[in-house]
Amino acid sequence: KNQVEQSPQSLIILEGKNCTLQCNYTVSPFSNLRWYKQDTGRGPVSLTIMTFSENTKSNGRYTATLDADTKQSSLHITASQLSDSASYICVVVENTGFQKLVFGTGTRLLVSP
Amino acid sequence: KAGVTQTPRYLIKTRGQQVTLSCSPISGHRSVSWYQQTPGQGLQFLFEYFSETQRNKGNFPGRFSGRQFSNSRSEMNVSTLELGDSALYLCASSLASGDYNEQFFGPGTRLTVL
Repeated sequence: KNQVEQSPQSLIILEGKNCTLQCNYTVSPFSNLRWYKQDTGRGPVSLTIMTFSENTKSNGRYTATLDADTKQSSLHITASQLSDSASYICVVVENTGFQKLVFGTGTRLLVSP
Repeated sequence: KAGVTQTPRYLIKTRGQQVTLSCSPISGHRSVSWYQQTPGQGLQFLFEYFSETQRNKGNFPGRFSGRQFSNSRSEMNVSTLELGDSALYLCASSLASGDYNEQFFGPGTRLTVL
C-alpha cells in the first residue's frame, strides 16, 4: 500500500533554533515529492518540489533533501521564526499521469519565543 | 494574479441535508482537484477535473460528486450529509493535469454537520 509517514508528529522549538522534519514513503511508481506548509485553517502552500534526480532543494530558510534509494526525505528549517509555526506536510506524487497525491499526516511545529 | 478562491468559507448544515461548494481556480489553470481534510485522516483526495472531465477519483462514496464548467470553475456536492462529513474541504488548481504540475490550494471551506 502506498504510504507516506512523517516524524515527529509534533515538535516545539525555541525561536532562532534549527529543526529537521522527516518523511519516509513507500509510494511507487514515484514521480516527485513535495513539502507543503499549512497554517491553521488555511490551505497548504508549496515549499519545494523534488524529482527523482534532485537531492537537495532550498527555498529561503527551508531546505529539503531526497534520497530516492532509501525513500526518505527531510525538511530542514534554519533560524526558525514564530511565523514558521504551522503543519508541514510531505506529499509524494505517483507516476500515473494524473494528479495522484499521497499525503503524509504532517508534523505540527510550534516555534516558541 | 489572484489565487484560488473558495466559497463559502464556512458552512453549517444538519444531517441529511446537501451542500454545494464552489472553487474558482487561478486564471489559466484547467485542472481542479478536491480534497477532504480531517484531524483523524489528514488530507484525502476526492477527485480531479480537467477540461470539464473527471480524470481521477478517490475512495469516497457516491454521495460526493463534482463537476467542472467550461471556465474551469468547479463545484463539489455532498448529498445526505453525515456527521463524519464535517471537515475542511480544499480545492487546488494547476495549469494541467499530470504528475509534475504544481498545485495551488485555496483557503478551504470549513463544513460543520450538526
